[in-house]
Amino acid sequence: KAGVTQTPRYLIKTRGQQVTLSCSPISGHRSVSWYQQTPGQGLQFLFEYFSETQRNKGNFPGRFSGRQFSNSRSEMNVSTLELGDSALYLCASSLDTSPAWEQFFGPGTRLTVL
Amino acid sequence: AQSVAQPEDQVNVAEGNPLTVKCTYSVSGNPYLFWYVQYPNRGLQFLLKYITGDNLVKGSYGFEAEFNKSQTSFHLKKPSALVSDSALYFCAVRGITYSGAGSYQLTFGKGTKLSVIP
Repeated sequence: KAGVTQTPRYLIKTRGQQVTLSCSPISGHRSVSWYQQTPGQGLQFLFEYFSETQRNKGNFPGRFSGRQFSNSRSEMNVSTLELGDSALYLCASSLDTSPAWEQFFGPGTRLTVL
Repeated sequence: AQSVAQPEDQVNVAEGNPLTVKCTYSVSGNPYLFWYVQYPNRGLQFLLKYITGDNLVKGSYGFEAEFNKSQTSFHLKKPSALVSDSALYFCAVRGITYSGAGSYQLTFGKGTKLSVIP
Protein backbone atom coordinates (compact mmCIF):
# COMPACT_ATOMS: atom_id res chain seq x y z
CA LYS A 1 0.00 0.00 0.00
CA ALA A 2 1.44 3.36 -0.98
CA GLY A 3 2.19 5.80 1.80
CA VAL A 4 1.28 9.43 2.16
CA THR A 5 2.66 11.50 -0.68
CA GLN A 6 3.32 15.21 -0.68
CA THR A 7 4.15 17.49 -3.56
CA PRO A 8 6.29 19.34 -4.17
CA ARG A 9 9.10 18.20 -1.90
CA TYR A 10 10.91 21.52 -2.02
CA LEU A 11 9.75 25.06 -2.69
CA ILE A 12 11.47 28.42 -2.73
CA LYS A 13 9.28 31.51 -2.65
CA THR A 14 9.71 35.18 -1.91
CA ARG A 15 7.91 37.26 0.67
CA GLY A 16 4.42 38.27 -0.32
CA GLN A 17 3.86 35.35 -2.66
CA GLN A 18 1.41 32.57 -2.03
CA VAL A 19 1.95 28.83 -2.14
CA THR A 20 -0.16 25.69 -2.41
CA LEU A 21 0.99 22.34 -1.07
CA SER A 22 -0.62 19.04 -1.94
CA CYS A 23 -1.12 15.83 0.01
CA SER A 24 -2.45 12.44 -1.07
CA PRO A 25 -3.38 10.22 1.88
CA ILE A 26 -3.05 6.48 2.14
CA SER A 27 -5.80 4.76 0.22
CA GLY A 28 -8.87 4.38 2.43
CA HIS A 29 -7.80 7.05 4.89
CA ARG A 30 -10.34 9.82 5.20
CA SER A 31 -8.74 12.11 7.75
CA VAL A 32 -5.90 14.43 6.78
CA SER A 33 -3.98 16.66 9.15
CA TRP A 34 -1.32 19.27 8.49
CA TYR A 35 1.60 20.27 10.70
CA GLN A 36 4.33 22.87 10.56
CA GLN A 37 7.75 21.86 11.81
CA THR A 38 10.43 24.43 12.65
CA PRO A 39 13.58 24.16 14.78
CA GLY A 40 12.30 26.78 17.21
CA GLN A 41 8.64 25.82 17.61
CA GLY A 42 8.81 22.11 16.88
CA LEU A 43 5.74 20.40 15.45
CA GLN A 44 2.65 22.56 15.46
CA PHE A 45 -0.82 21.49 14.39
CA LEU A 46 -2.35 23.48 11.56
CA PHE A 47 -5.67 21.82 10.77
CA GLU A 48 -7.50 18.55 10.27
CA TYR A 49 -9.96 17.64 7.54
CA PHE A 50 -12.43 14.80 7.37
CA SER A 51 -15.07 14.26 4.70
CA GLU A 52 -14.18 17.58 3.08
CA THR A 53 -14.86 19.46 6.33
CA GLN A 54 -12.35 21.18 8.55
CA ARG A 55 -12.73 19.51 11.94
CA ASN A 56 -10.09 21.33 13.92
CA LYS A 57 -7.75 24.25 13.51
CA GLY A 58 -4.56 25.18 15.28
CA ASN A 59 -3.43 28.62 16.35
CA PHE A 60 -2.28 30.00 13.02
CA PRO A 61 -3.30 33.20 11.23
CA GLY A 62 -5.93 33.22 8.52
CA ARG A 63 -3.20 33.30 5.86
CA PHE A 64 -3.04 29.55 6.37
CA SER A 65 -5.94 27.70 4.85
CA GLY A 66 -6.72 24.28 3.50
CA ARG A 67 -9.29 22.11 1.87
CA GLN A 68 -10.05 18.49 1.24
CA PHE A 69 -11.50 16.98 -1.88
CA SER A 70 -13.99 14.16 -2.25
CA ASN A 71 -11.17 11.66 -2.87
CA SER A 72 -9.63 12.71 0.49
CA ARG A 73 -6.70 14.47 -1.16
CA SER A 74 -5.90 17.73 0.59
CA GLU A 75 -4.24 21.01 -0.17
CA MET A 76 -3.02 23.75 2.07
CA ASN A 77 -2.45 27.32 1.00
CA VAL A 78 -0.37 30.04 2.55
CA SER A 79 -0.96 33.55 1.27
CA THR A 80 1.24 36.62 1.66
CA LEU A 81 4.25 34.59 2.68
CA GLU A 82 6.48 35.81 5.49
CA LEU A 83 10.06 34.82 6.28
CA GLY A 84 8.82 33.02 9.38
CA ASP A 85 6.76 30.66 7.23
CA SER A 86 9.93 28.86 6.22
CA ALA A 87 9.43 25.37 7.57
CA LEU A 88 8.85 21.71 6.84
CA TYR A 89 5.14 21.18 6.24
CA LEU A 90 3.97 17.69 7.07
CA CYS A 91 0.77 16.01 6.06
CA ALA A 92 -0.59 13.00 7.94
CA SER A 93 -3.48 10.70 7.25
CA SER A 94 -5.50 8.30 9.38
CA LEU A 95 -8.55 6.13 8.88
CA ASP A 96 -10.85 8.60 10.60
CA THR A 97 -10.84 11.14 13.41
CA SER A 98 -10.94 8.60 16.23
CA PRO A 99 -8.11 9.27 18.69
CA ALA A 100 -7.17 5.59 18.70
CA TRP A 101 -5.92 5.64 15.13
CA GLU A 102 -2.32 6.52 14.54
CA GLN A 103 -1.46 9.07 11.91
CA PHE A 104 0.87 8.24 9.05
CA PHE A 105 3.07 11.03 7.84
CA GLY A 106 4.32 11.99 4.43
CA PRO A 107 7.91 13.07 3.74
CA GLY A 108 7.00 16.74 3.96
CA THR A 109 7.37 19.82 1.81
CA ARG A 110 10.34 22.01 2.64
CA LEU A 111 9.29 25.64 2.10
CA THR A 112 11.92 28.35 2.04
CA VAL A 113 10.78 31.97 1.97
CA LEU A 114 13.37 34.51 0.83
CA ALA B 1 -5.01 22.29 27.36
CA GLN B 2 -3.05 19.15 26.61
CA SER B 3 0.74 19.12 26.59
CA VAL B 4 3.74 16.83 26.28
CA ALA B 5 7.15 17.28 27.88
CA GLN B 6 10.32 15.57 26.74
CA PRO B 7 12.80 16.71 29.38
CA GLU B 8 15.94 15.71 27.50
CA ASP B 9 16.92 17.46 24.29
CA GLN B 10 19.55 14.80 23.65
CA VAL B 11 20.27 11.30 24.87
CA ASN B 12 23.57 9.55 24.21
CA VAL B 13 23.90 5.81 24.65
CA ALA B 14 26.52 3.25 23.70
CA GLU B 15 25.62 0.64 21.13
CA GLY B 16 24.30 -2.49 22.81
CA ASN B 17 23.23 -0.68 25.96
CA PRO B 18 19.58 -0.19 26.91
CA LEU B 19 18.04 3.16 26.04
CA THR B 20 15.25 5.23 27.54
CA VAL B 21 13.67 8.36 26.10
CA LYS B 22 11.45 10.13 28.61
CA CYS B 23 8.01 11.63 28.10
CA THR B 24 5.41 13.07 30.43
CA TYR B 25 1.99 14.33 29.42
CA SER B 26 -0.98 16.35 30.55
CA VAL B 27 -4.44 15.80 29.11
CA SER B 28 -8.06 15.79 30.21
CA GLY B 29 -9.66 12.41 30.22
CA ASN B 30 -8.08 9.20 29.01
CA PRO B 31 -4.76 9.70 27.23
CA TYR B 32 -4.01 8.33 23.82
CA LEU B 33 -0.23 8.27 23.58
CA PHE B 34 2.10 7.80 20.63
CA TRP B 35 5.78 7.64 19.80
CA TYR B 36 7.18 8.65 16.44
CA VAL B 37 10.71 8.69 15.03
CA GLN B 38 12.10 11.08 12.44
CA TYR B 39 15.23 10.49 10.40
CA PRO B 40 16.98 13.42 8.68
CA ASN B 41 15.00 14.94 5.82
CA ARG B 42 12.17 12.47 6.34
CA GLY B 43 8.66 12.57 7.73
CA LEU B 44 7.66 10.98 11.01
CA GLN B 45 7.38 7.22 11.32
CA PHE B 46 4.94 5.66 13.76
CA LEU B 47 6.58 3.43 16.40
CA LEU B 48 3.87 2.50 18.90
CA LYS B 49 0.79 3.67 20.75
CA TYR B 50 -1.02 3.25 24.04
CA ILE B 51 -4.79 3.32 23.97
CA THR B 52 -5.84 1.08 26.83
CA GLY B 53 -4.91 -2.23 28.41
CA ASP B 54 -1.41 -3.39 29.30
CA ASN B 55 0.89 -0.68 30.53
CA LEU B 56 3.78 -2.07 28.49
CA VAL B 57 3.25 -1.73 24.77
CA LYS B 58 5.50 -3.14 22.10
CA GLY B 59 6.15 -1.49 18.78
CA SER B 60 8.31 -1.48 15.70
CA TYR B 61 12.08 -2.12 15.53
CA GLY B 62 12.22 -3.62 19.03
CA PHE B 63 10.96 -0.52 20.81
CA GLU B 64 8.54 -0.61 23.71
CA ALA B 65 7.00 1.97 26.00
CA GLU B 66 5.73 1.90 29.53
CA PHE B 67 2.59 3.80 30.46
CA ASN B 68 2.42 5.03 34.05
CA LYS B 69 -0.84 6.73 34.88
CA SER B 70 0.13 7.94 38.36
CA GLN B 71 3.29 9.59 37.03
CA THR B 72 1.62 10.64 33.76
CA SER B 73 4.59 9.23 31.88
CA PHE B 74 5.08 7.23 28.72
CA HIS B 75 8.79 6.46 28.42
CA LEU B 76 10.21 4.83 25.31
CA LYS B 77 12.64 1.97 25.82
CA LYS B 78 14.77 -0.51 23.93
CA PRO B 79 16.85 -3.29 25.53
CA SER B 80 19.82 -2.98 23.17
CA ALA B 81 20.49 0.17 21.13
CA LEU B 82 21.69 0.11 17.54
CA VAL B 83 23.63 2.82 15.72
CA SER B 84 20.75 2.90 13.23
CA ASP B 85 18.41 3.98 16.06
CA SER B 86 20.07 7.41 16.03
CA ALA B 87 17.29 9.83 15.14
CA LEU B 88 14.84 12.36 16.54
CA TYR B 89 12.08 10.89 18.70
CA PHE B 90 8.73 12.52 19.36
CA CYS B 91 6.17 11.69 22.00
CA ALA B 92 2.59 12.78 21.29
CA VAL B 93 -0.74 12.83 23.09
CA ARG B 94 -4.21 12.96 21.70
CA GLY B 95 -7.15 14.28 23.62
CA ILE B 96 -10.33 16.15 23.00
CA THR B 97 -9.98 19.75 21.95
CA TYR B 98 -13.24 21.49 21.34
CA SER B 99 -13.63 22.72 17.82
CA GLY B 100 -17.36 22.69 17.34
CA ALA B 101 -17.19 19.69 15.08
CA GLY B 102 -15.25 17.57 17.54
CA SER B 103 -11.75 16.38 16.84
CA TYR B 104 -8.82 14.82 18.60
CA GLN B 105 -5.82 17.05 18.09
CA LEU B 106 -2.39 15.43 18.26
CA THR B 107 0.05 17.43 20.39
CA PHE B 108 3.77 16.69 20.13
CA GLY B 109 6.66 17.15 22.48
CA LYS B 110 9.72 19.10 21.36
CA GLY B 111 11.58 15.93 20.48
CA THR B 112 14.63 14.13 21.83
CA LYS B 113 17.69 13.53 19.70
CA LEU B 114 19.02 10.05 20.30
CA SER B 115 22.65 9.36 19.45
CA VAL B 116 23.89 5.79 19.64
CA ILE B 117 27.66 5.68 19.85
CA PRO B 118 29.46 2.72 18.22
